[in-house]
Amino acid sequence: NAGVTQTPKFQVLKTGQSMTLQCAQDMNHEYMSWYRQDPGMGLRLIHYSVGAGITDQGEVPNGYNVSRSTTEDFPLRLLSAAPSQTSVYFCASSYYPTGGYEQYFGPGTRLTVT
Amino acid sequence: KQEVTQIPAALSVPEGENLVLNCSFTDSAIYNLQWFRQDPGKGLTSLLLIQSSQREQTSGRLNASLDKSSGRSTLYIAASQPGDSATYLCALGGGADGLTFGKGTHLIIQP
Repeated sequence: NAGVTQTPKFQVLKTGQSMTLQCAQDMNHEYMSWYRQDPGMGLRLIHYSVGAGITDQGEVPNGYNVSRSTTEDFPLRLLSAAPSQTSVYFCASSYYPTGGYEQYFGPGTRLTVT
Repeated sequence: KQEVTQIPAALSVPEGENLVLNCSFTDSAIYNLQWFRQDPGKGLTSLLLIQSSQREQTSGRLNASLDKSSGRSTLYIAASQPGDSATYLCALGGGADGLTFGKGTHLIIQP
């Protein structure tokens, strides 16, 4: 299993540009989520999904859109990038009941918005 | 809203020492608690998962405890090694809706 994969690893955007961060998992996990990590702020939840077609907002959802059309994929869209969205983005997946919601993380995408 | 605090924020100890990292949280209605390790510029590696009904978990030189009544967890590292140098993150799970993280303890083990 590849686990949780994220693309791209690095990205530089200009203010106002749009892009999609890709996340995929091959473990048939029901639950997926996106986090951002900023110095001094720790990791914060952006959006999460409890299954295909079902998404909800986390702590810091503004400026981001998500959709979940398949169990495997959970892309994060930035519609109009802002310098405040410069961060490292992590995708995670988990399952229940035997997994007890243990979270598995991808390697991250480092995004810079100029 | 769940608040997670990790103390100390940074710690430097000589190789071979046993050490304890602390994590406190405000809401005891949790599904689980997970400890992660993060190396500079890298992703998160899961170290230990403690379910809400459990009191502790062990993996090699690592032991994590959970006391929901006091809102505390500790990560015990025995016989520390330079390779243990990393940032250690504590995270509380509310179920399917993701984790709430502490800001981490930056650990340096001096050779």
